[in-house]
Amino acid sequence: KQEVTQIPAALSVPEGENLVLNCSFTDSAIYNLQWFRQDPGKGLTSLLLIQSSQREQTSGRLNASLDKSSGRSTLYIAASQPGDSATYLCAVQTGANNLFFGTGTRLTVIP
Amino acid sequence: KAGVTQTPRYLIKTRGQQVTLSCSPISGHRSVSWYQQTPGQGLQFLFEYFSETQRNKGNFPGRFSGRQFSNSRSEMNVSTLELGDSALYLCASSLEQIPSGVQYFGAGTRLSVL
Repeated sequence: KQEVTQIPAALSVPEGENLVLNCSFTDSAIYNLQWFRQDPGKGLTSLLLIQSSQREQTSGRLNASLDKSSGRSTLYIAASQPGDSATYLCAVQTGANNLFFGTGTRLTVIP
Repeated sequence: KAGVTQTPRYLIKTRGQQVTLSCSPISGHRSVSWYQQTPGQGLQFLFEYFSETQRNKGNFPGRFSGRQFSNSRSEMNVSTLELGDSALYLCASSLEQIPSGVQYFGAGTRLSVL
């Protein structure tokens, strides 16, 4: 069974810092990996999707990389802002099934 | 373009009752998936519907069921509610049957079972 782990579980950084969130998965037979953001009590907002054939995707200050063979992905956030404070979730799609989610990293950006 | 709409946003029920949650996908999306989010188990896949057919199912008891209508709207039903069913229920829609499509999530329905 696919297992997805995110480290760290929580992270606090001062505004302006660059930071990296980590995601690892046990089964490399994935179709894609998606990073989401979740604000308290809210649904999920899709940030980036990386297909299994891709190595990275970029959107604004966000950059996600994927190393399928080692079962790892990172989300890089440049020049963090207080508005980036949220829980970040990674999820992998396998087969014709569903998304397997990590437990998330709760990010706090201190003004 | 309207996003994924889930109703109601909040529900309070008692043990043994049943509940129906509704999800309206983004216009043109034919795949709707349901997820349960709890503090202990995180986000877990319930089932996915595509063109009115259940295509995939997660590891949940038969008390959890769903359906999809011809306009792609979906409902999820939970019968004989248990305290452990208290959770945020999220639905997601995509253009194509997963795994190829980006999934867009609604704001969720928070169910509290007393």
